[in-house]
Amino acid sequence: DVVMTQSPISLPVTLGQPASISCRSSQSLVYSDGNTYLNWFQQRPGQSPRRLIYKVFNRDSGVPDRFSGSGSGTEFTLEISRVEAEDVGVYYCMQGTHWPYTFGQGTKLEIK
Amino acid sequence: EVQLVESGGGLVEPGRSLRLSCITSGFTFGEYVMSWVRQAPGKGLEWVGFIRSKANGGTREYAPSVNGRFTISRDDSKSIAYLQMNSLRTEDTAVYYCGHSFGFAWGQGTLVSVSS
Repeated sequence: DVVMTQSPISLPVTLGQPASISCRSSQSLVYSDGNTYLNWFQQRPGQSPRRLIYKVFNRDSGVPDRFSGSGSGTEFTLEISRVEAEDVGVYYCMQGTHWPYTFGQGTKLEIK
Repeated sequence: EVQLVESGGGLVEPGRSLRLSCITSGFTFGEYVMSWVRQAPGKGLEWVGFIRSKANGGTREYAPSVNGRFTISRDDSKSIAYLQMNSLRTEDTAVYYCGHSFGFAWGQGTLVSVSS
């Protein structure tokens, strides 16, 4: 299985400051169709996961533009330009290129 | 608005079976992959499997941990997806979420507890 490794595991951030989460895959996530199926999910406390970003950098509808995704191959990043209180939760990267699809272990974002 | 509502969870003994349902609305159900993921208490997310649309063969993929024990099915006439879980093990204890496509949207989840 493809192993997804996130860092950091815990991310304390001051309100209004930027935040960055790294995700590394054990294999390239470029699929045979040329797409890279790397998604980012947010899970707020007590809630279901919510997809924020799909195929590396595409923001889902309704996702604030302070969230952005980047990367290629095996190295990916989720950035939040200015953290707000509602961003508290756990963030997961997920690869949808190689079955079984796999998630990173999660990064817990908290407010300092 | 896309909505997914899971039901059917509960407490079950090891070795027994349970069937989860995912009632959906707000999209053309038959055109999309339907997925299931799970989350053990206090843990991260794990893919269970998915079923393709009938236009794409209606075939299924399962995680190795559930392959041969779990079956995903769909009723396009009712816009419902199912997860049949047989030979349940204590390690299957989790909240189970059904999803539109590969995570476009998820339901609120239903808790399955496997314990004697």
